[in-house]
Amino acid sequence: DTGVSQNPRHKITKRGQNVTFRCDPISEHNRLYWYRQTLGQGPEFLTYFQNEAQLEKSRLLSDRFSAERPKGSFSTLEIQRTEQGDSAMYLCASREGVQNEQFFGPGTRLTVL
Amino acid sequence: AQSVTQLGSHVSVSEGALVLLRCNYSSSVPPYLFWYVQYPNQGLQLLLKYTTGATLVKGINGFEAEFKKSETSFHLTKPSAHMSDAAEYFCAVSDLGSSNTGKLIFGQGTTLQVKP
Repeated sequence: DTGVSQNPRHKITKRGQNVTFRCDPISEHNRLYWYRQTLGQGPEFLTYFQNEAQLEKSRLLSDRFSAERPKGSFSTLEIQRTEQGDSAMYLCASREGVQNEQFFGPGTRLTVL
Repeated sequence: AQSVTQLGSHVSVSEGALVLLRCNYSSSVPPYLFWYVQYPNQGLQLLLKYTTGATLVKGINGFEAEFKKSETSFHLTKPSAHMSDAAEYFCAVSDLGSSNTGKLIFGQGTTLQVKP
């Protein structure tokens, strides 16, 4: 069990640039979640995949955000035209279908200058 | 809609003292409740969870929590604090009882400081 991995761990970008993050879930987990955590706050749900299908998106996920999970394996989260307000830790989590526990990755910390 | 309130954004205890972190939830369906711990610049690690059955649940590192439906609470305790317990703690409720996506709704977190 290698756990959930996320890359990159840190990303610094300039306002207006596009960024893409990757999440590799635990191999047998078919459910995948993205959360955003700003400083001093709890994580907030962004989106949910069951296999390759994106089944729920939060209102927090503006049209500048897009997430994919091709073939139901790894997932990517892209932010277009980044804004300073996008600066946050982006967390990925996965779980196996019959389990209720989510396993979290180490996160990607985004800083938008 | 579900929500979580953690009372006290910062809690400070002496090493060896009792740790009590408070969590109250709101849920229209039977809740699935979780406590996670987060160390600086790391992801979240599950401490313990309540789904059904016994209302007193034990987790890792000597932590436990009691589900009290009448009080809509799920407070986290540890009899004796250790320096290594200093971290951010999050209480969360899952929507598994309703939509079945299983997404987590988190409280704002409580920073635990342990003084020598």
